[in-house]
Amino acid sequence: NAGVTQTPKFRVLKTGQSMTLLCAQDMNHEYMYWYRQDPGMGLRLIHYSVGEGTTAKGEVPDGYNVSRLKKQNFLLGLESAAPSQTSVYFCASSSPGQGVSPLHFGNGTRLTVT
Amino acid sequence: GNSVTQMEGPVTLSEEAFLTINCTYTATGYPSLFWYVQYPGEGLQLLLKATKADDKGSNKGFEATYRKETTSFHLEKGSVQVSDSAVYFCALKRDPFQGAQKLVFGQGTRLTINP
Repeated sequence: NAGVTQTPKFRVLKTGQSMTLLCAQDMNHEYMYWYRQDPGMGLRLIHYSVGEGTTAKGEVPDGYNVSRLKKQNFLLGLESAAPSQTSVYFCASSSPGQGVSPLHFGNGTRLTVT
Repeated sequence: GNSVTQMEGPVTLSEEAFLTINCTYTATGYPSLFWYVQYPGEGLQLLLKATKADDKGSNKGFEATYRKETTSFHLEKGSVQVSDSAVYFCALKRDPFQGAQKLVFGQGTRLTINP
C-alpha cells in the first residue's frame, strides 16, 4: 500500500529555473494539499484541491502553481525558482466529508534553490 | 487570526521520563485540535485528535486534553521510549464543518530520548 508518493525526493535548482513536483495517491482521496516546511515555522499550506479539476489558494500561494488533472495526482509547479523557495515540500491527501479526517502525508521533497 | 504556539525545543529526556509538550492556540469559534508526529525521513502522521472542549485524545500512550478555558492542548506521556524520538506538531482546524483539512500548524518540537 503506497499511500502518498512524492517525486523527486531531492532537487537543486538555480534561481530562475522551473520545475514540477509530482504527488500521487492511491487511496481514492478527494482532497489533496501541498505544504511547505521551514525551520521554526511548522508547515504552511500552499495550495489545495477538493476534487479533480479544482484548485484553491492556501496561506502562501505566491510563486507556485498547481494542477489536478487526475484525481490521484496533484502537481506543484515553480515557474521561476527563488532562494526563498528553498524548503521541504509535503503533499498530503484526505477523504471527504465534514468533521475530522486525517491527513496522509508523503515523505517530502527537499528543494534547494541557489 | 488563528495560530498555534508550541513550546520551543529541542527537548531531550531519558528513557522512562515523563513528557509534556505545551501547545496553546488562538482561534475563533470551536476548532478541532491535533497532534501530528514526524519520524526521521518520513512525512507527518496523525497521533491524536480532539474535536470539542474537554475531549481527551489518546494513542500509543500519548494523551492530550482540549482545554477551552486555557486554549491549550498539551501533549503528555507517562514513560517515553527511545522510539518516541521525533518532531511533534500541534495543529488546529479552523472550521470543523469544512470538508477540506486546512490545518494551521505550530512550529514543531523536536524530542530526543536517550537510553
